[in-house]
Amino acid sequence: GQNIDQPTEMTATEGAIVQINCTYQTSGFNGLFWYQQHAGEAPTFLSYNVLDGLEEKGRFSSFLSRSKGYSYLLLKELQMKDSASYLCAVRSSGGSYIPTFGRGTSLIVHP
Amino acid sequence: GAVVSQHPSWVICKSGTSVKIECRSLDFQATTMFWYRQFPKQSLMLMATSNEGSKATYEQGVEKDKFLINHASLTLSTLTVTSAHPEDSSFYICSKQVLETQYFGPGTRLLVL
Repeated sequence: GQNIDQPTEMTATEGAIVQINCTYQTSGFNGLFWYQQHAGEAPTFLSYNVLDGLEEKGRFSSFLSRSKGYSYLLLKELQMKDSASYLCAVRSSGGSYIPTFGRGTSLIVHP
Repeated sequence: GAVVSQHPSWVICKSGTSVKIECRSLDFQATTMFWYRQFPKQSLMLMATSNEGSKATYEQGVEKDKFLINHASLTLSTLTVTSAHPEDSSFYICSKQVLETQYFGPGTRLLVL
């Protein structure tokens, strides 16, 4: 099975930088996803990492270390609209190709 | 990204009634679609994989007779919650996979009174 761990809640100030961590344990790794989910809405895709390193996409970046079972999502120049839940999801190499989702990190951005 | 729609966006029903939720792939055909359920402050839990023209594959612990899935066309999958009870109240989301990524519909919020 898979075990995905991320903080339940984080707060940050508008304009700041925040890093949301995700650690995972899986029998075989085949990709890690980050999704953003605003309250009452469905998740929207942010990033996909399958190789080690940093993937940058505008204000959002995602990092992966397969050897450490670790990823983070970095949000720069925070805006109020970034207040949302951020879901880490991991896909294993055996069996189902469907990722397993973590509980999500609720990010609150305040002025 | 891919475009997935759901209908209705929310529904309130009485205990014991059945509710049908539609999930449509608006851009590309989807031989496989996925149904998730999310309780408040919980993660997305995969309920079943919907396969066009064949039976759905249900995750462990999900009652196939209670959550009926039909995938009769390449663009439409339906989930019917039969004899709904208050504990079935949840946020139901469908998705389809394009290459490596899951793309989600807007979700259906179900409240059973």
